[in-house]
Amino acid sequence: QQQVKQSPQSLIVQKGGIPIINCAYENTAFDYFPWYQQFPGKGPALLIAIRPDVSEKKEGRFTISFNKSAKQFSLHIMDSQPGDSATYFCAARRPGGSYIPTFGRGTSLIVHP
Amino acid sequence: ETGVTQSPTHLIKTRGQQVTLRCSSQSGHNTVSWYQQALGQGPQFIFQYYREEENGRGNFPPRFSGLQFPNYSSELNVNALELDDSALYLCASSEGLGLSGEKLFFGSGTQLSVL
Repeated sequence: QQQVKQSPQSLIVQKGGIPIINCAYENTAFDYFPWYQQFPGKGPALLIAIRPDVSEKKEGRFTISFNKSAKQFSLHIMDSQPGDSATYFCAARRPGGSYIPTFGRGTSLIVHP
Repeated sequence: ETGVTQSPTHLIKTRGQQVTLRCSSQSGHNTVSWYQQALGQGPQFIFQYYREEENGRGNFPPRFSGLQFPNYSSELNVNALELDDSALYLCASSEGLGLSGEKLFFGSGTQLSVL
């Protein structure tokens, strides 16, 4: 059972483009939605995160848009650069217990120069 | 401040063998979680340790076991290895549970190949 569905599986854009990665969740108890960036041979690194009480959060060139009623959230990368080429994972976490996030399957992003 | 370190980086085992993977948590972190990441998939939660006690477990069989030591470093042990255990094993540390533990800091992982 996949609780967090991520799309697309892969994405190719030109430098300066705005790739958008989408995630949908089912469990309305989720209260924390982080995005992780993973480079080959490395572990995921926290990029940006949002809570369901806000609809948008920006950190540098990265923006999360959150739609609570649709149970969807997305990552936008402004002015994308070749160095942004990586795999991106969305995740969702519910409160209580061990506070463990559930990850999406990932999106492989390639930004061409 | 040191980050999360894992050892070894790569490991090759044969089916039926046992393996131990190690993780040193980031300075000041008392919580360690282990994840299995199959090729092309997102990390899957194995278990979490908080102050040396198991604090949650994912859908993994009992042959996956762990320990956390007083210095908060941790081990993941897998017995009776199967071919499907081939994956990247990630350790993540965090600063406690709840809001303080929301940010996970991952190591670079151990790539395990089971032949």
